Amino acid sequence: DAGVIQSPRHEVTEMGQEVTLRCKPISGHNSLFWYRQTMMRGLELLIYFNNNVPIDDSGMPEDRFSAKMPNASFSTLKIQPSEPRDSAVYFCASSLPLAGGSHNEQFFGPGTRLTVL
Amino acid sequence: AQKITQTQPGMFVQEKEAVTLDCTYDTSDPSYGLFWYKQPSSGEMIFLIYQGSYDQQNATEGRYSLNFQKARKSANLVISASQLGDSAMYFCAMRGVSGNTPLVFGKGTRLSVIA
Repeated sequence: DAGVIQSPRHEVTEMGQEVTLRCKPISGHNSLFWYRQTMMRGLELLIYFNNNVPIDDSGMPEDRFSAKMPNASFSTLKIQPSEPRDSAVYFCASSLPLAGGSHNEQFFGPGTRLTVL
Repeated sequence: AQKITQTQPGMFVQEKEAVTLDCTYDTSDPSYGLFWYKQPSSGEMIFLIYQGSYDQQNATEGRYSLNFQKARKSANLVISASQLGDSAMYFCAMRGVSGNTPLVFGKGTRLSVIA
C-alpha cells in the first residue's frame, strides 16, 4: 500500500501566482481531509469530503482557496492568488468508511511545504 | 464544539525512562474518539494510539498507553522506556464518532529524549 500521496512535496512561488496541491488517498478510503499546519495556528482543517462530496469547507480561509475531488482517487487544493500568509505545510489525510466499533484513524500524506515569497 | 488542550509546550526525558504527555479535552458529543499522533522532524504525521469514549479499558500499543480519565476529560499519553527516536512533536486529537468527521488537534508537545 503506497499510503496517501501528495505532490509536490515542496513548492516555492511568488505572491499572486496560482498554486495547486494534489492528493491521492489510499484506495478504498472514502473520506478525504485537507489540513494546514502553521506555527501560529497549529493543525487546522480546511475542508473534507465524504464519497467525493464536500461536507464542510468552513475552514477554507477565503475565496482564494478552492478544493475539488473529481473522483475517489484524486483531490486538489488550489490557491489563487497566493499570498505570503498562505505559507504553511498542507496535509491531505484519508480514512476508511466508518464501521461498527472501528476507530477509523486518519492516514496522513507527507505534506506539501508551501512558501509564498 | 470540540477543544483539545496540551499544556506542555516541551518536555525532556532521560532515555529508558517513562514520560507522560498531558491532554485534556472538551466536547458536548456523547460519543467521541481520542487520538495521539507523532510528528518527527521529517514532518510526517504518524498515528500512535486510539481511545474510544466508551472503551472500558485504557488503550495500549506497545510502549504507548493512554491514561483515559473520562470524568476529568483527560487522555494522557504514556511512553515507557523512552528511546532517542521518540524525540518528536506529539499531538492529541479528537473527533465525534457519528460520521467520518475531521480531527481537532491540540497545539502539541515537543518531546526531547536525552541520552
